[in-house]
Amino acid sequence: GAVVSQHPSRVICKSGTSVKIECRSLDFQATTMFWYRQFPKKSLMLMATSNEGSKATYEQGVEKDKFLINHASLTLSTLTVTSAHPEDSSFYICSARVAETYNEQFFGPGTRLTVL
Amino acid sequence: GENVEQHPSTLSVQEGDSAVIKCTYSDSASNYFPWYKQELGKRPQLIIDIRSNVGEKKDQRIAVTLNKTAKHFSLHITETQPEDSAVYFCAASRNGNKLVFGAGTILRVKS
Repeated sequence: GAVVSQHPSRVICKSGTSVKIECRSLDFQATTMFWYRQFPKKSLMLMATSNEGSKATYEQGVEKDKFLINHASLTLSTLTVTSAHPEDSSFYICSARVAETYNEQFFGPGTRLTVL
Repeated sequence: GENVEQHPSTLSVQEGDSAVIKCTYSDSASNYFPWYKQELGKRPQLIIDIRSNVGEKKDQRIAVTLNKTAKHFSLHITETQPEDSAVYFCAASRNGNKLVFGAGTILRVKS
């Protein structure tokens, strides 16, 4: 149980375009999902916390107008990278928590974004 | 906010030897400390976690110890195998909320 999927797994886009990444909890309902960014050979950095039915909470230094997060249902959160530029190229990983009282986060497989 | 430091950044051990990775955290309110194994291009996989009401936890060849007073926790892998080679991350959080990760340790197990 507790499977999280992400789509697409890889995306290559031109500079200036927008890219949407989906994160789904397949066998549980996730009231909270998290979005992380990971540069090559670096650690995971939390970008934002996504709560179902409310606005996401962004970490300091993360532009909320550039990284749009929507958590419209208990099984789906989306991250849209708007007007992508080469410096946005990265590995984006989501995670989901089963319940507020359960600490463990389950990670998606990640999305490799390359902006040309 | 929370800050997690992890050492060493790289660790090479001979197959069968033990490996120890150490992390320190700054927020005394943190109470959940997971360890993740990540292979290249893959998702982080939880290998063990510990909560602040426990000092030690073991799962077969893997153990984690926590010293709340000193604010540090360690991962111990015994009888290392080549398939243990990966990047290992520690993390800290309050109640499973925003995870703050360490910088990672590249573990190489030489056969």
